[in-house]
Amino acid sequence: AQSVTQLGSHVSVSEGALVLLRCNYSSSVPPYLFWYVQYPNQGLQLLLKYTSAATLVKGINGFEAEFKKSETSFHLTKPSAHMSDAAEYFCAVSTTSGTYKYIFGTGTRLKVLA
Amino acid sequence: DAGVIQSPRHEVTEMGQEVTLRCKPISGHDYLFWYRQTMMRGLELLIYFNNNVPIDDSGMPEDRFSAKMPNASFSTLKIQPSEPRDSAVYFCASRAGGGYSGELFFGEGSRLTVL
Repeated sequence: AQSVTQLGSHVSVSEGALVLLRCNYSSSVPPYLFWYVQYPNQGLQLLLKYTSAATLVKGINGFEAEFKKSETSFHLTKPSAHMSDAAEYFCAVSTTSGTYKYIFGTGTRLKVLA
Repeated sequence: DAGVIQSPRHEVTEMGQEVTLRCKPISGHDYLFWYRQTMMRGLELLIYFNNNVPIDDSGMPEDRFSAKMPNASFSTLKIQPSEPRDSAVYFCASRAGGGYSGELFFGEGSRLTVL
């Protein structure tokens, strides 16, 4: 079965500092991986996705993620945090067993300090 | 496009009452998903439909929960009778078909409080 694990339910960074949100996956087949962001009182929206075309994936708002098969990781990064990045971030994997399920991690709440 | 539309945005009800949550997916999307979000359990998939047909309802907690999709532009999630432990934010999401890499588009959610 496919799954994702997000390390750290809360992460705090200073404005302008590097953002690093961790996600590890478990999959016996090449996975399809996603990062979603949820702002307060809103639904989730896609930041970026990995579909095997390239290991470094660039998304919206300056975020990017690198797929590392050897580490089974898909960490999300942004070089310089902005106050508007404060939100909850979810890593997800799409199941490839003939059903179209998306399994979400438990989420990481990012706080940006002025 | 208007995006995925959910109603009501907020619902407060008393234990034992029937609750109906509604969703209008993005036009042309043939997959519809219902998720529940709580602090304790995170995002849980309840059920999903393809072309209005329920495909997997293994996440539906119990018989008190039911979901329907009478046509391509409307779905409901019903809880009868409701219990305090059903308090959560319920999200509807839709996607276009074809492959495993499609993006989910989420509505803004329906926050349910059962007293």
